[in-house]
Amino acid sequence: GAVVSQHPSRVICKSGTSVKIECRSLDFQATTMFWYRQFPKQSLMLMATSNEGSKATYEQGVEKDKFLINHASLTLSTLTVTSAHPEDSSFYICSGDETLTDTQYFGPGTRLTVL
Amino acid sequence: QKEVEQDPGPLSVPEGAIVSLNCTYSNSAFQYFMWYRQYSRKGPELLMYTYSSGNKEDGRFTAQVDKSSKYISLFIRDSQPSDSATYLCAMSAPGGGNKLTFGTGTQLKVEL
Repeated sequence: GAVVSQHPSRVICKSGTSVKIECRSLDFQATTMFWYRQFPKQSLMLMATSNEGSKATYEQGVEKDKFLINHASLTLSTLTVTSAHPEDSSFYICSGDETLTDTQYFGPGTRLTVL
Repeated sequence: QKEVEQDPGPLSVPEGAIVSLNCTYSNSAFQYFMWYRQYSRKGPELLMYTYSSGNKEDGRFTAQVDKSSKYISLFIRDSQPSDSATYLCAMSAPGGGNKLTFGTGTQLKVEL
């Protein structure tokens, strides 16, 4: 299957700082990438849909000014958590939409801890 | 009512058992159905993808879809301790931009 990487895998930051998470599709081009967050023992909640070359589409209740998404190329999307607070601590997972099979392939996730 | 319902478990079975995991859904627009496996602190891994009613088999895994009942299942034969993980069902509708709606996930433990 197609491979998606995320960097960093784990990050700890102080409250008020910004954190950038990268999502790369390694062996396919992803016009569309998705960003999810997952709390312990809960399912994935879609935060936003990232389309290459255009603005991201955010789900209801997700602050677009807090979670900045950039999808500058067909293989890279970034999520920046701005002015992070402890309640932003979560597991953030991205996926790339593999066009030929119309299947989402997920990255390994980034665990964010805000102190 | 959630669009997709899935028993969170945990489900504990002995090695070699047949495991049955299930999801029900309410949105008749869903046409594409997936099962993902997620190990602790990892991203989900696609196991099965299907879009038609009936069975689809891949090794020890069988995905079953019954659109008339809005019910999908994943069967695991000869379960192994390495199958211990959380299993998530997911589904999407045509024209929805491939947005997935996930079940809550079922935590499975296969014991020696």
